[in-house]
Amino acid sequence: DARVTQTPRHKVTEMGQEVTMRCQPILGHNTVFWYRQTMMQGLELLAYFRNRAPLDDSGMPKDRFSAEMPDATLATLKIQPSEPRDSAVYFCASGLTRYEQYFGPGTRLTVT
Amino acid sequence: EDQVTQSPEALRLQEGESSSLNCSYTVSGLRGLFWYRQDPGKGPEFLFTLYSAGEEKEKERLKATLTKKESFLHITAPKPEDSATYLCAGAQGGSEKLVFGKGTKLTVNP
Repeated sequence: DARVTQTPRHKVTEMGQEVTMRCQPILGHNTVFWYRQTMMQGLELLAYFRNRAPLDDSGMPKDRFSAEMPDATLATLKIQPSEPRDSAVYFCASGLTRYEQYFGPGTRLTVT
Repeated sequence: EDQVTQSPEALRLQEGESSSLNCSYTVSGLRGLFWYRQDPGKGPEFLFTLYSAGEEKEKERLKATLTKKESFLHITAPKPEDSATYLCAGAQGGSEKLVFGKGTKLTVNP
């Protein structure tokens, strides 16, 4: 049963610290998405990649967020420095066809 | 601006009490309308894709329909295990982006 995996599942950190979240997409999927979910805003797209190349990162605060795909089996989302307003659940999703997206279990981030 | 609006925000049903969830959208060049189910502490799980007005898709007690301005998720004789948040999303033309609504939290009481 192929699934998207994300680590860590939970992260508590202090304001100003660097946070790195990791995602392993489903093997063979060539599109990877990063989302953020909050009660107020719902699910928001931060960035996405096709064949490891970034296609759109317009949803990301550029000064503190960065997303990369070092290889086809790993996507990372980094926040430096983190702020309390970054507290949310961050989801990674992967897909093969144009709009098909399979979500991971998420990383719950709390910044104090 | 592309928007997806879901109503109601929350819905409580008794087991066996059928109802519908609404998703209205203004998405430029809509290429598809998606329904997802999300359980607490988990990621959204894909349910349906609808591509054109008049299209219907069914899965167990769920049926999704699409018009030119909105989509409905009909739940027939729901069971407590159908309790979840149901998310609707529109696919923008010309990109892989999905614009999500904020969801309807469904609770089915036994």
